[in-house]
Amino acid sequence: GAVVSQHPSWVICKSGTSVKIECRSLDFQATTMFWYRQFPKQSLMLMATSNEGSKATYEQGVEKDKFLINHASLTLSTLTVTSAHPEDSSFYICSATQGGGFEKLFFGSGTQLSVL
Amino acid sequence: RKEVEQDPGPFNVPEGATVAFNCTYSNSASQSFFWYRQDCRKEPKLLMSVYSSGNEDGRFTAQLNRASQYISLLIRDSKLSDSATYLCVVNGDKIIFGKGTRLHILP
Repeated sequence: GAVVSQHPSWVICKSGTSVKIECRSLDFQATTMFWYRQFPKQSLMLMATSNEGSKATYEQGVEKDKFLINHASLTLSTLTVTSAHPEDSSFYICSATQGGGFEKLFFGSGTQLSVL
Repeated sequence: RKEVEQDPGPFNVPEGATVAFNCTYSNSASQSFFWYRQDCRKEPKLLMSVYSSGNEDGRFTAQLNRASQYISLLIRDSKLSDSATYLCVVNGDKIIFGKGTRLHILP
C-alpha cells in the first residue's frame, strides 16, 4: 500500500525556536497533503490543506505566518512551526491523497513536538 | 448538528462481547465514509470504507444509512487488541474526522 513518511517522530525544542516537520509520499505522487494537530484526548484537527505548487489553504484560527507550509514537489510537504511556544506542543500528523479523489488518506506516523 | 458526531465513550466492554459505534453527519452531499482506528500517540489507520450496501470484514461490519445520515461499525467477538480509539471520517466538501470513541476491552 501507499506509504507516507514523516520526520522527525519527536522533537524537543526551546521556546522561540523554529521546527520543521517533513512529510514524504514514498511510492506515489501526492497532489494534496493535509496537516493535522492533535492534543491529548482530542480529535484530529485539520490545520491546512496543501496542494503542490500553490499556497496552502489554512483552516480558520490557524495562523499561516506561524505554521508555514511548503509543498514544493509532488512527494514532499513541510510544516515549519515558527517561534514555537509551549502551547504549540502537540502531536502533528500529515496525510496525503493519491490521485484526484479522496478515497483514502495515507497518514504519516506523526511528530510529537514538545516546546520547553 | 455537528458536522460529524460520534458517541463520546469511552466504552468498557468485556472480551468477547459485541460493540457498536454510531456516527452522524450533517452534510447530506457527503460522498464517502470511513472508519479509522487510532492507537495512543499513533497515526490513524484505515479500518474499513463504508459502502451503501454495507460491508463486512471478518469481525467488523460497517453500514451506511444515507436517509438518516449515519454510519455504524459493529465489532463482534471483541479482542483485547481491539482497544483503541475509533474515528468516523466523512468526505463531503472536505474530509472531516469525528472526535473518536475510545474502546477498552476488558479481560
